[in-house]
Amino acid sequence: ETGVTQTPRHLVMGMTNKKSLKCEQHLGHNAMYWYKQSAKKPLELMFVYSLEERVENNSVPSRFSPECPNSSHLFLHLHTLQPEDSALYLCASSQGGGRGNEKLFFGSGTQLSVL
Amino acid sequence: GQNIDQPTEMTATEGAIVQINCTYQTSGFNGLFWYQQHAGEAPTFLSYNVLDGLEEKGRFSSFLSRSKGYSYLLLKELQMKDSASYLCAVRGGDYKLSFGAGTTVTVRA
Repeated sequence: ETGVTQTPRHLVMGMTNKKSLKCEQHLGHNAMYWYKQSAKKPLELMFVYSLEERVENNSVPSRFSPECPNSSHLFLHLHTLQPEDSALYLCASSQGGGRGNEKLFFGSGTQLSVL
Repeated sequence: GQNIDQPTEMTATEGAIVQINCTYQTSGFNGLFWYQQHAGEAPTFLSYNVLDGLEEKGRFSSFLSRSKGYSYLLLKELQMKDSASYLCAVRGGDYKLSFGAGTTVTVRA
């Protein structure tokens, strides 16, 4: 148990569906992240929120829309996805905005399949 | 950009030692992390190096040479539960964290 909980664990959706991924951290951290993990590829940083403000958006397509209503919760809203978006989506949190040795605490991820 | 290289797969026998190498080319350097990820689970933090040398934590050790852009993770007295993917991640001069593709270690009885 890492203190970061993601739901759902698995999600299958069609290209016309709208769904949301949820992440909750119980660690009192002030930064939260979305990463994409595809097979045999490095983790790709998608979004970073620090103190509930989006501080990084790594050229992610607009069909992915993040939301951070408070420092403990992070959502990733999905719409009109493509099959190549199928991957494991990992949420992480940290104390601090990534300027030192602060480590990331990851959730177990949502395995997304787009049909 | 950042370039992080590590072997794709390694296999070793229970009780043995395995060394996972990671080489990196980054614009500046602000630390290197190793994470362990079991299949279907969250990556978990193993070690952090920012100065040259060896950091030891029980059966796991991590080494860094900044001049060579090189690190390794050493797993001693391998156990079956050590079968996992090991991720090398480097924080560059812009403080962005870049990950390697991971090394899948399989421990055989």
